[in-house]
Amino acid sequence: GAGVSQSPSNKVTEKGKDVELRCDPISGHTALYWYRQRLGQGLEFLIYFQGNSAPDKSGLPSDRFSAERTGESVSTLTIQRTQQEDSAVYLCASSLSGQGVTEAFFGQGTRLTVV
Amino acid sequence: AQRVTQPEKLLSVFKGAPVELKCNYSYSGSPELFWYVQYSRQRLQLLLRHISRESIKGFTADLNKGETSFHLKKPFAQEEDSAMYYCALSVFGNEKLTFGTGTRLTIIP
Repeated sequence: GAGVSQSPSNKVTEKGKDVELRCDPISGHTALYWYRQRLGQGLEFLIYFQGNSAPDKSGLPSDRFSAERTGESVSTLTIQRTQQEDSAVYLCASSLSGQGVTEAFFGQGTRLTVV
Repeated sequence: AQRVTQPEKLLSVFKGAPVELKCNYSYSGSPELFWYVQYSRQRLQLLLRHISRESIKGFTADLNKGETSFHLKKPFAQEEDSAMYYCALSVFGNEKLTFGTGTRLTIIP
């Protein structure tokens, strides 16, 4: 079956431009996460969606970052006025929640390069 | 708030030698602990979870509530074990996964 799909897989943008990253979670997964992974660094939590609950936005690094999720499906992460320090791999993950703690499945990531 | 600490950013081990990747957590209740692995050019994926109490690819991890640790161990390292390893924590009822900063394991031939 289809796993978590992210698009685009690579994105090069000019400093100051806005970018939108997309995540298609596994069908039926109510929980969705966005993480950032800078070169040679660990996973940095950005935002967490869980069903109809208010998202946990505690990891968003600035107000230039925002994310939305349509119901229990697609999510988009938007970065406005991109800066060079935004260059990283952005990872999306989803999990089947509501039945105890379950495995998170990750997408292949979007590699963002800000030039 | 829950927190996961992986004190070693880099770890190099000779092939055939024992491996131990350290993970400590802070949470006052009973957490669920996981190890995730990312091999070169592959997706991040679950390696093992403590409630399963199973050995995956020769790796085991025991939850020590007294020491709040969940160290990952393997008695004999193999070259294919080279990867980035992340320890993660979740709490029943609030299933947000909190990851540590990761340890890059390199197995020296």
